[in-house]
Amino acid sequence: QVQLVDSGGSLVKPGGSLRLSCAASGFTFSDYYMSWIRQAPGKGLEWVSYISNSGTIKFYVDSVRGRFTISRDNAKNSLYLQMNSLRAEDTAVYYCAREPNGKIDYWGQGTLVTVSS
Amino acid sequence: DIQMTQSPSSLSASVGDRVTITCRASQSISTYLNWYQQKLGRAPKLLIYVASSLQSEVPSRFSGSGSGTDFTLTISSLQPEDFATYYCQQSYSTPYTFGQGTKLEIK
Repeated sequence: QVQLVDSGGSLVKPGGSLRLSCAASGFTFSDYYMSWIRQAPGKGLEWVSYISNSGTIKFYVDSVRGRFTISRDNAKNSLYLQMNSLRAEDTAVYYCAREPNGKIDYWGQGTLVTVSS
Repeated sequence: DIQMTQSPSSLSASVGDRVTITCRASQSISTYLNWYQQKLGRAPKLLIYVASSLQSEVPSRFSGSGSGTDFTLTISSLQPEDFATYYCQQSYSTPYTFGQGTKLEIK
């Protein structure tokens, strides 16, 4: 069965960096676009970034463009999000997600990123 | 960016009720509209895609309709497990955007 396991979230100081990972299994990873979506505590959902199946196409929401980098390793069935220059407003649960045709059909369990001094 | 507005923001209903949640887009999105259910502390779950297609293994009491700018999610007969927060999401253009959510509570 399809499984996405997010990891890497932790407490980090403003201005710091963090790398999130997502291990995928149960499907042909290299066939699918993948995304990161976040949810601030008690708030709604925000699409952060997506990457094409080959890794050649990438999208970032304006609030993270230039600070976050999405990448993937199809040989390792893994998705990554490198987050630099973190701000308090980046505090959220980050979900790895499989994204066929603009819809999210499978989600990871989420990993909590807290940016605080 | 396309803004998605849901109404109501919260709703109280009883088991067995028929419930409708509305989502409005700030511009036409054809039928590129998806619905998700999120229970407390859990990841969201896809219910409906391209406005009216039921995701595999989702109960048939859930249905979606609409096109252009106005969409609805209907639950025909509420079950105890349906009390959750519901989100719409447009996949017409990037950045893909979500509605603010509708919290469905037990009356």
